Amino acid sequence: EAGVAQSPRYKIIEKRQSVAFWCNPISGHATLYWYQQILGQGPKLLIQFQNNGVVDDSQLPKDRFSAERLKGVDSTLKIQPAKLEDSAVYLCASSLRTGEQYFGPGTRLTVT
Amino acid sequence: AQSVTQPDIHITVSEGASLELRCNYSYGATPYLFWYVQSPGQGLQLLLKYFSGDTLVQGIKGFEAEFKRSQSSFNLRKPSVHWSDAAEYFCAVGANNNDMRFGAGTRLTVKP
Repeated sequence: EAGVAQSPRYKIIEKRQSVAFWCNPISGHATLYWYQQILGQGPKLLIQFQNNGVVDDSQLPKDRFSAERLKGVDSTLKIQPAKLEDSAVYLCASSLRTGEQYFGPGTRLTVT
Repeated sequence: AQSVTQPDIHITVSEGASLELRCNYSYGATPYLFWYVQSPGQGLQLLLKYFSGDTLVQGIKGFEAEFKRSQSSFNLRKPSVHWSDAAEYFCAVGANNNDMRFGAGTRLTVKP
């Protein structure tokens, strides 16, 4: 069974630029999550989708972050414009409606 | 508000020695509790979870954890540590797969 795929694995951009991350969840997993993991901290949930609907985006900085999950499968997370404090690893995870979350390898973003 | 505290930022143990990683949580309802492990450059992998029932939970790779409601704790243990256990360990609390909150993590170093 293929795991959660994310791309790119690494990205370096300058502040005020925009960036997008892509996630392909495990086939059949209805729930998809995006987390932000800043160095030295635990993952922080940014947004949770159930199929293509948003379940929780309470911690998503909506002035600069956006996410979508078209057709209830793949998802993209966008930052526009990026700030220095956005430097982090962005993790995507998926799960069945209940049960274990499976995490992808993450995208390491560096904002200079 | 729910939160997770992992008091130990970094722990070093000798290979073959026993291990206990501490986790304290704050949660308004009956919590779902999780322990995840993260190796460098990898996503998180679920070690074990507690939903209800027996308060001593067995997980993968020889790990176990004990839920103590009176102490709001969910400590992770392993009787004999292997060099391959060196990694970052995260405790998390949530309502099943919703509203997950992660601790800041404990980095485990294993001495030969």
